[in-house]
Amino acid sequence: EAQVTQNPRYLITVTGKKLTVTCSQNMNHEYMSWYRQDPGLGLRQIYYSMNVEVTDKGDVPEGYKVSRKEKRNFPLILESPSPNQTSLYFCASRAGQWTGELFFGEGSRLTVL
Amino acid sequence: AQKVTQAQTEISVVEKEDVTLDCVYETRDTTYYLFWYKQPPSGELVFLIRRNSFDEQNEISGRYSWNFQKSTSSFNFTITASQVVDSAVYFCALSEFLLKTSYDKVIFGPGTSLSVIP
Repeated sequence: EAQVTQNPRYLITVTGKKLTVTCSQNMNHEYMSWYRQDPGLGLRQIYYSMNVEVTDKGDVPEGYKVSRKEKRNFPLILESPSPNQTSLYFCASRAGQWTGELFFGEGSRLTVL
Repeated sequence: AQKVTQAQTEISVVEKEDVTLDCVYETRDTTYYLFWYKQPPSGELVFLIRRNSFDEQNEISGRYSWNFQKSTSSFNFTITASQVVDSAVYFCALSEFLLKTSYDKVIFGPGTSLSVIP
C-alpha cells in the first residue's frame, strides 16, 4: 500500500530535550516536505526536499532541522524544542513534478512543556 | 506574493443542504495549480482535486463540484446534499513554480471547518 509513515504519532516532551520525528514514504517520490498545522493558520511549510541531499527552508524553519540521506526518509529534528513548537506536524511527499498532489502522513501531535 | 484566503472559518449546515466553501487566491503567475484537501475528524489529509490555471471548466464528482473563475481568482467548492460524513476541515492550496529558485511553492489557506448536523 502506498503510504507516508510518520513516527511518533503523539509525543509529549519538555523544553530543550532533542527529538526527531521520522517520515518514510514507499512511493519512490522525489519531493518531500514538512508542515505544521496550527489553528487558524492552516498548514505552513517548515522544510522541503526536492531529492536526496537537496533541502531548503520553507516559511517557518526556525528551530527545526532536516536531512535527506535516502530518498524514502525525511526526518524532522527539533534540537531544542520550545513550547511554541507545540503543534500538529505533517510529512508529505509527491512525485517530482510541482503540479502533482501531495500525499500526507497521518500527522504527529507534539506537545512541548 | 502568494496568498490563499478562506474567509469562512466555520460553517454549520443541516444534512441534505447544499454548502459552498469559498477560496480566493493571489498570485502573479499565469501558470499555477489549485488544490482542495479534506481533513476529517480522524486527522489525515486527503487530496480531493487539482485544477491548473488554464483549465476553467467546472468539475463535478458525485456530490462534489468545483467552480474555478480566474476573473475573480476564486476556486470554490460546493457539496450538494451534504452528509454527516462530509464534516471535516477543508483546505484550499495554491502551487506555483518559482523561476528564481527553480523550486515550487505550495501555500495553504487557513481552512474551513464544516459541520453537517444530522
